[in-house]
Parts: sequence; C-alpha cells; structure tokens
Amino acid sequence: GENVEQHPSTLSVQEGDSAVIKCTYSDSASNYFPWYKQELGKRPQLIIDIRSNVGEKKDQRIAVTLNKTAKHFSLHITETQPEDSAVYFCAAPESFNKFYFGSGTKLNVKP
Amino acid sequence: NAGVMQNPRHLVRRRGQEARLRCSPMKGHSHVYWYRQLPEEGLKFMVYLQKENIIDESGMPKERFSAEFPKEGPSILRIQQVVRGDSAAYFCASSPASGGNQPQHFGDGTRLSIL
Repeated sequence: GENVEQHPSTLSVQEGDSAVIKCTYSDSASNYFPWYKQELGKRPQLIIDIRSNVGEKKDQRIAVTLNKTAKHFSLHITETQPEDSAVYFCAAPESFNKFYFGSGTKLNVKP
Repeated sequence: NAGVMQNPRHLVRRRGQEARLRCSPMKGHSHVYWYRQLPEEGLKFMVYLQKENIIDESGMPKERFSAEFPKEGPSILRIQQVVRGDSAAYFCASSPASGGNQPQHFGDGTRLSIL
C-alpha cells in the first residue's frame, strides 16, 4: 500500500520568510497530490494540488513541486503571514479510491 | 453550492452507547469517504462508499463500526458500544467521481467524546 512521509513535523518561520514542507510517497502509480491546510478545530481545506503530468504549479504565494522519479513533492509558501499558521497535510492516493495522508506539519509564522 | 455537511458537530456518549454520525456530500458528488483524526495526528482512512455500495472498508475496524450510504439521505457512520478509544474527530469528504486524481472536499467533522 501507499506510504506517505511528511517533514518537518513543526516549522517556525519569521513573517515574510518562506516555508517549505516535503512529502515522499511509495506508490509509483500515484498521479495526484493534494495539500490541505487545517486550522485548529476546523476542517481540512484543499489549498493546492498537482497532477503527475506537470512538475510545478503555482497559486499566488503557494506553489507545489513534484519529482516523480524521486517520488517526492513539496509545498512552498512565500512571504509568509501570521494567518498562514496552521497544520498542513499532504496526501497521495492508493488504488484510486482513498488517500493516505502525511502526519502533518505545524507551521508557526511569528509576527 | 453547499459544501459537505456533517452533523452533529459535537457528540457526547457514555461507554456502551451507540454513536451515529451523518454526512451529506456536496451537491453533485456521489462518492463519500470517512476519515478519523486523533488529536495532534493526521487523517486515517476508514471507508469509501458510493450510493448503496461500500467500495472499500479496509480502514474500518471490523467490530462495532459500520457505514452506509443509502439511495436517499445522508451517509451514516455508526459506532456501537462505544469505548473511550473511539474519542476522535470524524471527518467526511466527498468527490464528484472515484479515482485518486479527484479532489476530496471535507466537512466540518464530528467531534466524538466518550465519557
């Protein structure tokens, strides 16, 4: 089955700095990789996703890169703001019907 | 377009009671997924359903837990004879089609507390 590992588990940055979170996966058939942001006590919210036919996707201050050969994908947040503070989860699919989630990265953006 | 609706938001049960959690998918979505999240942990897949069918229940404990998605009405996750270890947040997600290349949208979750 799919195995998703996420690093780091916690990340503290100064406002305005960049943050990078990395995930690795094991199933070479996986072809879709979403990232979710979860604020305390709230639902996971899809913030960006990438399909395997592209290597990078950007949406304003958020970008995701994918290296299929190495089986890893990363979330990049530039010009971080205090409201970016949350837990971020990556996910990868198995058997096209369920996602395996990483263990989460708690991002703290210090004003 | 209403999002994924879950109720109740909070549920308190005593050990041995039954818990019923409901999930209505987004309009136009026919695929429902249930996940469990313990405090400070990630989301763990439990079960994947389509209307009137359980497609994959490999993440759901074989005893005390069951799920359904009837032709009419919401999907229901049922936990019988609850124990303290069942305390968690249970999230439902829906997608418009099956496949690992479709985004899943989550509801607000049900926080289950067992006394």
